[in-house]
Amino acid sequence: DAKTTQPTSMDCAEGRAANLPCNHSTISGNEYVYWYRQIHSQGPQYIIHGLKNNETNEMASLIITEDRKSSTLILPHATLRDTAVYYCIVRLPNAGNMLTFGGGTRLMVKP
Amino acid sequence: GAVVSQHPSRVICKSGTSVKIECRSLDFQATTMFWYRQFPKQSLMLMATSNEGSKATYEQGVEKDKFLINHASLTLSTLTVTSAHPEDSSFYICSASTDRGTDTQYFGPGTRLTVL
Repeated sequence: DAKTTQPTSMDCAEGRAANLPCNHSTISGNEYVYWYRQIHSQGPQYIIHGLKNNETNEMASLIITEDRKSSTLILPHATLRDTAVYYCIVRLPNAGNMLTFGGGTRLMVKP
Repeated sequence: GAVVSQHPSRVICKSGTSVKIECRSLDFQATTMFWYRQFPKQSLMLMATSNEGSKATYEQGVEKDKFLINHASLTLSTLTVTSAHPEDSSFYICSASTDRGTDTQYFGPGTRLTVL
């Protein structure tokens, strides 16, 4: 699986949009970009994934650049409960493929 | 979304005893389940990949005789930490892949193991 690079930490004001970047310059053509988050002392929570097109669901939006070498996860209106470590992972979409977790971005949402 | 449960959520045991952790996919069948371990302030590290009806595949450095994995059905995998020692104290997390679409993995809530 391709490696990803994320900032170690970010702050965001409550109610504002949180934009979390991820670089994956060695991503291959059939690898997907997945985002998970882990709130303290809990299991990771799936957020969203995509291949080429931008994606949106009830939790977040995923913007993937045209060359697919980077992406941004957007939480449109961050709340205090969004404080967590956010992991960007690229992976082939097969059930037998594990997720390789890097360091992630520690997002702190402040009042 | 898909739900994965783990039991127990936390366990404290004496050194030398064995501990079993269960991982269940509640609303889907999981051909493949994964076991991860997370030490404080560190990221998740994959321990093993478990396929229903076959032997688990362990990552390098993980002792298969110490961490016994059984995946007896499409909804249940168990991890048994045998002869636990204080250095095995950690947060153990399982995940399961749905067998549809892009096979997204869903995680259990984790089990906090403390070995005294």
